[in-house]
Amino acid sequence: EAQVTQNPRYLITVTGKKLTVTCSQNMNHEYMSWYRQDPGLGLRQIYYSMNVEVTDKGDVPEGYKVSRKEKRNFPLILESPSPNQTSLYFCASSLDPTGGDYGYTFGSGTRLTVV
Amino acid sequence: RKEVEQDPGPFNVPEGATVAFNCTYSNSASQSFFWYRQDCRKEPKLLMSVYSSGNEDGRFTAQLNRASQYISLLIRDSKLSDSATYLCVVMLYNNNDMRFGAGTRLTVKP
Repeated sequence: EAQVTQNPRYLITVTGKKLTVTCSQNMNHEYMSWYRQDPGLGLRQIYYSMNVEVTDKGDVPEGYKVSRKEKRNFPLILESPSPNQTSLYFCASSLDPTGGDYGYTFGSGTRLTVV
Repeated sequence: RKEVEQDPGPFNVPEGATVAFNCTYSNSASQSFFWYRQDCRKEPKLLMSVYSSGNEDGRFTAQLNRASQYISLLIRDSKLSDSATYLCVVMLYNNNDMRFGAGTRLTVKP
């Protein structure tokens, strides 16, 4: 089954404790991105990657890092999480940035709470 | 002003009703338009692209008005299963600049 797999689904952590949210896709998509979704604000892009070893900042990159060492994986790293990073996070992939005919395929989401 | 604005709702309608959502965008250079559907606590999924000439997919009709910079989604004969949040998405041409609206929540009641 074609899918984007995110882990973990839920995470509660403390301020300053480094964490990684994993994202993996099995569709051989070149384009991957991370979003955060907050009430009333819609999805905002954190980072995106056009291909292996090619990453770039989105609208809200502060406090986040990413890497794209393999085509299928695009982990999101919070080196020192803070409470304002409490949010719902989605990883997405597609053949290209427009989404093409099928749009973006999103992972199931990671609900992160930083206390 | 937000780049993509939607009425958050909620829209509460009875089964069988026709309901329409609008979405306005601020950047006149926007070239691609989409509607995504997001169920409660789930990931967004593409509902349909919006073409310049308007397009229809079953009970769903999407239209684009470039002069007024808005897109619309019309749902006819609403079903209980249509209850969800509908996200308007706008993209600049040849640019990784996809903007999501905050969504319009629809509840269809028996």
